[in-house]
Amino acid sequence: GAGVSQSPRYKVAKRGQDVALRCDPISGHVSLFWYQQALGQGPEFLTYFQNEAQLDKSGLPSDRFFAERPEGSVSTLKIQRTQQEDSAVYLCASRLRGAQYFGPGTRLTVT
Amino acid sequence: GESVGLHLPTLSVQEGDNSIINCAYSNSASDYFIWYKQESGKGPQFIIDIRSNMDKRQGQRVTVLLNKTVKHLSLQIAATQPGDSAVYFCAEIKNAGGTSYGKLTFGQGTILTVHP
Repeated sequence: GAGVSQSPRYKVAKRGQDVALRCDPISGHVSLFWYQQALGQGPEFLTYFQNEAQLDKSGLPSDRFFAERPEGSVSTLKIQRTQQEDSAVYLCASRLRGAQYFGPGTRLTVT
Repeated sequence: GESVGLHLPTLSVQEGDNSIINCAYSNSASDYFIWYKQESGKGPQFIIDIRSNMDKRQGQRVTVLLNKTVKHLSLQIAATQPGDSAVYFCAEIKNAGGTSYGKLTFGQGTILTVHP
């Protein structure tokens, strides 16, 4: 079937705007992860869902970041009042067993 | 703090050569390691994994070696092709066989460039 998809692929936001990033995991995958990847760096963990339950949000940088997965499938990462330091690629990954499969990411640029 | 890191940030090879990408990890509690390949504009792509009870694992053209004594991981790519050009990341999971849900900790990455 299809892999993990993310939308939009690119997002430009003015500082202070709110953004919402969407992730469609592989059908049937229970686990869903969000990562943030700064330029030239490896991805860094943000948050984890098991079905609709958010079991770990220890990686979220501030209370401006919020993630949800209300029906245990599609997930949305929301960033309120965006700041320039939020500029990064946001990656979503899903897993049933074994390795995580990543989507293409959303590149967020805050101007 | 505990981290997974790489010795060499860039590696350039000729097509047909074998490539070796290295990674050092510091968390002795990590028991599952994965290599990912990331091409420009794409998400990381799974290459191969290895559990801490193994020293070596082979895939198609790739081999991962794990030396727990010195906390070192390497990825060997045989007969490297231009299509192998990408950034390669090692990643670790702590307590993968226990209560861990699989949170990955990534290293910085190595840029592999393969010249035709």
